[in-house]
Amino acid sequence: EVQLVESGGGLIQPGGSLRLSCAASGLTVISNFMSWVRQAPGKGLEWVSVIYSDGTTYYADSVKGRFTISRDNSKNTLYLQMISLRAEDTAVYYCARMNRGGDLWGQGTLVTVSS
Amino acid sequence: DIQMTQSPSTLSASVGDRVTITCRASQSISSWLAWFQQKPGKAPKLLIYKASSLESGVPSRFSGSGSGTEFTLTVSSLQPDDFATYYCQQYNSYSELTFGGGTKVEIK
Repeated sequence: EVQLVESGGGLIQPGGSLRLSCAASGLTVISNFMSWVRQAPGKGLEWVSVIYSDGTTYYADSVKGRFTISRDNSKNTLYLQMISLRAEDTAVYYCARMNRGGDLWGQGTLVTVSS
Repeated sequence: DIQMTQSPSTLSASVGDRVTITCRASQSISSWLAWFQQKPGKAPKLLIYKASSLESGVPSRFSGSGSGTEFTLTVSSLQPDDFATYYCQQYNSYSELTFGGGTKVEIK
């Protein structure tokens, strides 16, 4: 079965760091455009970051300099390293394969930034 | 930055109604537009890609049209399973993906 499974979310204090993981099965992360998309409680979807098959990365202005997208080819896993977290980073974080705009999504992992 | 504006933000409709949602881009994105459906607590589901192509497995009552800056999603005959929130997304540039604000389709 082709699927993406996120993990690593939780409660973190403002200023803290967290690393999200997205384990892929049935597809190869390195061969695909992969993104992180987030959704704050009761709000719409917000694109966060993308990594191309050639390793090129891009970020939304709201997270540039604080978040880093990466991948581990041996583990077939996508990551999102988040530092200097703020209350406004509180959201469900989804990883997605971006074929045709986004044909495969994980179930999401909740990140709550609060003291 | 490319801005995506969806309208309406909320839509009340009945089963069997024809429903149309509009998405406007702040600059031309050719046909690089996708439509997603999202239900509470669930991940988005791809419905339409490249403005008018139906994703495999999606019912044919869903259709998309438009190019450049004006796009529409139409549901020809609304079914009970279609009450959800819909988002457009531009992927003209993979360095900057943008979603519309969403349209919640409610039961009238």
